[in-house]
Amino acid sequence: NAGVTQTPKFQVLKTGQSMTLQCAQDMNHEYMSWYRQDPGMGLRLIHYSVGAGITDQGEVPNGYNVSRSTTEDFPLRLLSAAPSQTSVYFCASSPSGTAKNIQYFGAGTRLSVL
Amino acid sequence: GDSVTQMEGPVTLSEEAFLTINCTYTATGYPSLFWYVQYPGEGLQLLLKATKADDKGSNKGFEATYRKETTSFHLEKGSVQVSDSAVYFCALGSIYNQGGKLIFGQGTELSVKP
Repeated sequence: NAGVTQTPKFQVLKTGQSMTLQCAQDMNHEYMSWYRQDPGMGLRLIHYSVGAGITDQGEVPNGYNVSRSTTEDFPLRLLSAAPSQTSVYFCASSPSGTAKNIQYFGAGTRLSVL
Repeated sequence: GDSVTQMEGPVTLSEEAFLTINCTYTATGYPSLFWYVQYPGEGLQLLLKATKADDKGSNKGFEATYRKETTSFHLEKGSVQVSDSAVYFCALGSIYNQGGKLIFGQGTELSVKP
């Protein structure tokens, strides 16, 4: 019962470094999303995908890139890390159709940018 | 745009106390409403949901009723336990959105003392 798997769990970066947060799901869900969680702000949507090859921006996309070459994987790339990107990042997936709003979350990646 | 507002935390209760966490929303159309729970160090998991007005979602002793007239979806539990200590998020999902995206409230941290 893997569900949604995120790696790494923790990461420390220096300003200007790049990295990729990995996300994989084994439920054959069409929809996948990336959120960031900051104190007092809940979760905010960064990017989402409605299927392989199709991505779109969410509420806070600047500084992040995504791609979706397979149904299973949805990596999030930080191009040039900034201290403002210090956050906890969650990947989520959901099926299409009437259950599309029932999202399944990974355990998160805690990122610190120094 | 659509939004969700939750009561601010943290909320501290004694075991067996009654819990209410307020949630109100603004949305066009008729969204689905959710409560997600995040236990320490984990990702979010669905607690309960309601898809139309007057629906009552329930799970693990928690309940919430979709009130269209007051645009509210308050979370209640009659007798909390120490194991209920977590962060609770109210969320909204529109049938019109793509990709199952959710809009989250800021979260309410609950601490239950023995």
